[in-house]
Amino acid sequence: NAGVTQTPKFQVLKTGQSMTLQCAQDMNHEYMSWYRQDPGMGLRLIHYSVGAGITDQGEVPNGYNVSRSTTEDFPLRLLSAAPSQTSVYFCASSPQGRGQYFGPGTRLTVL
Amino acid sequence: EDKVVQSPLSLVVHEGDTVTLNCSYEVTNFRSLLWYKQEKKAPTFLFMLTSSGIEKKSGRLSSILDKKELFSILNITTTQTGDSAVYLCAVDRLAASKLTFGTGTRLQVTL
Repeated sequence: NAGVTQTPKFQVLKTGQSMTLQCAQDMNHEYMSWYRQDPGMGLRLIHYSVGAGITDQGEVPNGYNVSRSTTEDFPLRLLSAAPSQTSVYFCASSPQGRGQYFGPGTRLTVL
Repeated sequence: EDKVVQSPLSLVVHEGDTVTLNCSYEVTNFRSLLWYKQEKKAPTFLFMLTSSGIEKKSGRLSSILDKKELFSILNITTTQTGDSAVYLCAVDRLAASKLTFGTGTRLQVTL
């Protein structure tokens, strides 16, 4: 199994640009989540999904959209990038009632 | 507002020392508490605790949860330089893997 994969590893955007961070898992996990990690603030939940077709907001959802059309994929869309969205983004997945497995992360810089 | 607080923020010890990391929490709908180790990349799962007083153990690492006093500790015995990392505590609310993270404890183990 590849586990949780994320692309791209690095990305630089200009303010106002949009983009999609990709996340995929091959473990047939029901739950998937997106977090951002900023210095001194730990990991914060952006959006999460409990299964295909079901998503919900986390702690810091503004400026981000998600969809879950398949069990495997959970892309995160930045609608209009802002410098405040400069961060490291982690995708995670888990089976119900178990610990989450994290992808390798995407380092995003918004100029 | 849900809160997870870790202490100390950072710690420097000598190889062979024993360390105790602390995590206290105030969350609604507590389901479980999780510990992760983060080196330079993604967090890796260590333990998930759901019941008070039952120690989880993996090699030199162990953890226990006190649901009455709302805290958990992570012990590392006979520390090695490879234990140097940020240790993250997270609380899972409801049944949807909605993790709230603390800001972490940075552990440095020196020779």
